[in-house]
Amino acid sequence: ETGVTQSPTHLIKTRGQQVTLRCSSQSGHNTVSWYQQALGQGPQFIFQYYREEENGRGNFPPRFSGLQFPNYSSELNVNALELDDSALYLCASSLGTSGRAWDNEQFFGPGTRLTVL
Amino acid sequence: QQPVQSPQAVILREGEDAVINCSSSKALYSVHWYRQKHGEAPVFLMILLKGGEQKGHDKISASFNEKKQQSSLYLTASQLSYSGTYFCGTDTLYSGGGADGLTFGKGTHLIIQP
Repeated sequence: ETGVTQSPTHLIKTRGQQVTLRCSSQSGHNTVSWYQQALGQGPQFIFQYYREEENGRGNFPPRFSGLQFPNYSSELNVNALELDDSALYLCASSLGTSGRAWDNEQFFGPGTRLTVL
Repeated sequence: QQPVQSPQAVILREGEDAVINCSSSKALYSVHWYRQKHGEAPVFLMILLKGGEQKGHDKISASFNEKKQQSSLYLTASQLSYSGTYFCGTDTLYSGGGADGLTFGKGTHLIIQP
């Protein structure tokens, strides 16, 4: 069973640039959630994709967008990067149903450390 | 709204017990517990659902008081491997079943000394 993988592991960008982060779900999982984790804080929910559709969104501006592909892998895109976007970005996969989104455990990837200069 | 965790940090000797608390101002559908070691991904410990259902590892013990909107994680006979930051995440009752978001607390830092 392959775990959740993320790429790249580290990334350095400058203000105003755009970035794409990638996540491969654990085998058999159809749901991917993305989180932003600032240093010393808990993960903050960005959005979730369930079977290729956005299934919910946290308090993040529209310049944070995403995709989920037919194989349930996912991308997080951030446009017009700001200094405050510097953080660890985590994706988590789970086996979701058409009901509540949080009834099953999530398997987190190792994260992508984004630094915006 | 972010759940409040207490204590913020705790230092134990191997073999001692600890309780980590999580409190929300909103009615909850479920509480989730994760542990994160420095530089690593969060690892699932337990989900406690409204109505009493629990999903998690046998060696982990937790409680969920739905009326008080509180949960506690019990770590007994602690081992060195228990060290890390513990996060609770809450799913509110009136989110309509959709992914309005799992809201995590700021974490409790647990250090186990030999």
